[in-house]
Amino acid sequence: EVQLVQSGAEVKKTGESLKISCEGSGYRFHNYWIGWVRQMPGKGLEWMGIIWPGDSDTRYSPSFQGQVTISVDKSINTAYLQWSSLKASDTAMYFCARHKDVDSSNYYFAYWGQGTLVTVSS
Amino acid sequence: EIVLTQSPGTLSLSPGERATLSCRASQRVFSNYLAWYQQRPGQPPRLLIYGASSRATGIPDRFSGSGSGTDFTLTISRVEPEDFAVYFCQKYGSSPPNTFGQGTKLEIK
Repeated sequence: EVQLVQSGAEVKKTGESLKISCEGSGYRFHNYWIGWVRQMPGKGLEWMGIIWPGDSDTRYSPSFQGQVTISVDKSINTAYLQWSSLKASDTAMYFCARHKDVDSSNYYFAYWGQGTLVTVSS
Repeated sequence: EIVLTQSPGTLSLSPGERATLSCRASQRVFSNYLAWYQQRPGQPPRLLIYGASSRATGIPDRFSGSGSGTDFTLTISRVEPEDFAVYFCQKYGSSPPNTFGQGTKLEIK
């Protein structure tokens, strides 16, 4: 069974750094794109970017390029989303999700993590 | 970047009624790579439809998707109480960003 398990909720101050995680299990981790999706309070879904664990090839949405860093440690089947300096506007739920399979015709998110709530205050 | 516009923003229906949700793209969606997701409060999204019209595993047949090019529709033939949720469309493929629509909230009338 494919599972994506995310790290727990975080409460941080503006200007602090943060790295949240997403551990995959039940499949060959390095053979599937993993993505991150932001959902601000009461709002819709925003596609942030994806990473190929096999070689760390990463694609960002222009809206998030330079604002966050997506990385992976394939030795422990874990993807990361990190910020170097948080802003109050980063307050949101963040989901990791996996593509259905390796064919681009199936690059929809068939599997989702439970979400990590990040709260940033001054 | 393709922009997806969903309508209506909110749809108020009674159980048993038919729901029709629209998703319009600013450009043609390549090969109709269009997915629909359902999100209930406090839960991650759940895949319903991919390829514009194919139901995901375990999705009831009251959910159906249609459309091509720039205009797509999600239909729920008879809304059940558990269907009241928010629905998102997404274009996908090998040319990111694979953007989402802003969502349609299906609420009880």
